[in-house]
Amino acid sequence: GIQVEQSPPDLILQEGANSTLRCNFSDSVNNLQWFHQNPWGQLINLFYIPSGTKQNGRLSATTVATERYSLLYISSSQTTDSGVYFCAAQGVGGQNFVFGPGTRLSVLP
Amino acid sequence: NAGVMQNPRHLVRRRGQEARLRCSPMKGHSHVYWYRQLPEEGLKFMVYLQKENIIDESGMPKERFSAEFPKEGPSILRIQQVVRGDSAAYFCASSPGQGGSYNEQFFGPGTRLTVL
Repeated sequence: GIQVEQSPPDLILQEGANSTLRCNFSDSVNNLQWFHQNPWGQLINLFYIPSGTKQNGRLSATTVATERYSLLYISSSQTTDSGVYFCAAQGVGGQNFVFGPGTRLSVLP
Repeated sequence: NAGVMQNPRHLVRRRGQEARLRCSPMKGHSHVYWYRQLPEEGLKFMVYLQKENIIDESGMPKERFSAEFPKEGPSILRIQQVVRGDSAAYFCASSPGQGGSYNEQFFGPGTRLTVL
């Protein structure tokens, strides 16, 4: 099945800094999503982005399907951005998501 | 438009008891997925169901675990004779269908199971 990797595993930022999180996947995808798991454990949908670029406020994401990676950009980070960011991919012909191991982000005041 | 609902939010069971976790998908969604998250780990797929059908249960342990999504009512994940290793957060997700943006999955708040 499809394999999903994320980097970096951990990231510490000062408030106001920008960051880029990366997701690599091993095969063609039907679906790719980015999620934020907040410190209370809730999973929040950030982007549905099997290809192309999307922006939502301070967050944006780009998926280059032909090169099998996706990037999540966080600009002007805030302490409320802290938590774990997961990338999840559904391979072509697959039924379910495979989650990456996550990037744990800590934004310091 | 209510999101994906899960209950209970927290469940405590003693070893050997049964755990029943419930999931009501978003309105208009007919596809349900269950995932398990062990402490400090990512989510692992367990089972994918449509109404009255199990489509893919490749991630489900062969013993003690079962899932259903009846014609009426919520989807149920059932764990019989729980053991300490079953302690985890169990998340349910739903999607409108399959194909294109219908694939997009929306997650519930999770049920945190603790086995004593």
